[in-house]
Amino acid sequence: DAGVIQSPRHEVTEMGQEVTLRCKPISGHNSLFWYRQTMMRGLELLIYFNNNVPIDDSGMPEDRFSAKMPNASFSTLKIQPSEPRDSAVYFCASSLATSANYGYTFGSGTRLTVV
Amino acid sequence: DQQVKQNSPSLSVQEGRISILNCDYTNSMFDYFLWYKKYPAEGPTFLISISSIKDKNEDGRFTVFLNKSAKHLSLHIVPSQPGDSAVYFCAASITGNQFYFGTGTSLTVIP
Repeated sequence: DAGVIQSPRHEVTEMGQEVTLRCKPISGHNSLFWYRQTMMRGLELLIYFNNNVPIDDSGMPEDRFSAKMPNASFSTLKIQPSEPRDSAVYFCASSLATSANYGYTFGSGTRLTVV
Repeated sequence: DQQVKQNSPSLSVQEGRISILNCDYTNSMFDYFLWYKKYPAEGPTFLISISSIKDKNEDGRFTVFLNKSAKHLSLHIVPSQPGDSAVYFCAASITGNQFYFGTGTSLTVIP
């Protein structure tokens, strides 16, 4: 299994532009999570899906952020318009809900820089 | 509000000695706890876990201790090795549905 695959690995964009981050979870996993890592707050949960349905999006910072999971093998996190304070590493993780006590499998992350 | 706190951003330890990483939490409903390890440019990887029905779990050089009354857990690494140098995150959940992570502690093991 290739693990959780995120793209791109790095993204540099200008303030005001739209940014789309992509994630392919592990096949068979039915829960998907988007996290943001910052120095101040560590790993911060933005949103999670169960069986492609958004369960909790209370961590999404603003309306500029949106996430979709159109099918079991793909999810996107979109920021429109982007701002410099959105600069962070964004991680996608997946798990099998029945064995979530073993934790999540994380992707390698997307490092976003907004200038 | 940060429900899981790691108050030491960094820790340096000599090779062969014990590393102790600490974590505090505020929600008494948390019943499952994990430690993750993260190398630069990689995602966090699962290291060790503990359920609230236990106060200790051991896996090789890694031991996690849980003190429920103090809402505190710690990760002990004995003996520490240079390859253990990484950022360590603790995480807590209620029934494993959603994990709350701390801010991480960067461990450096000096050869």
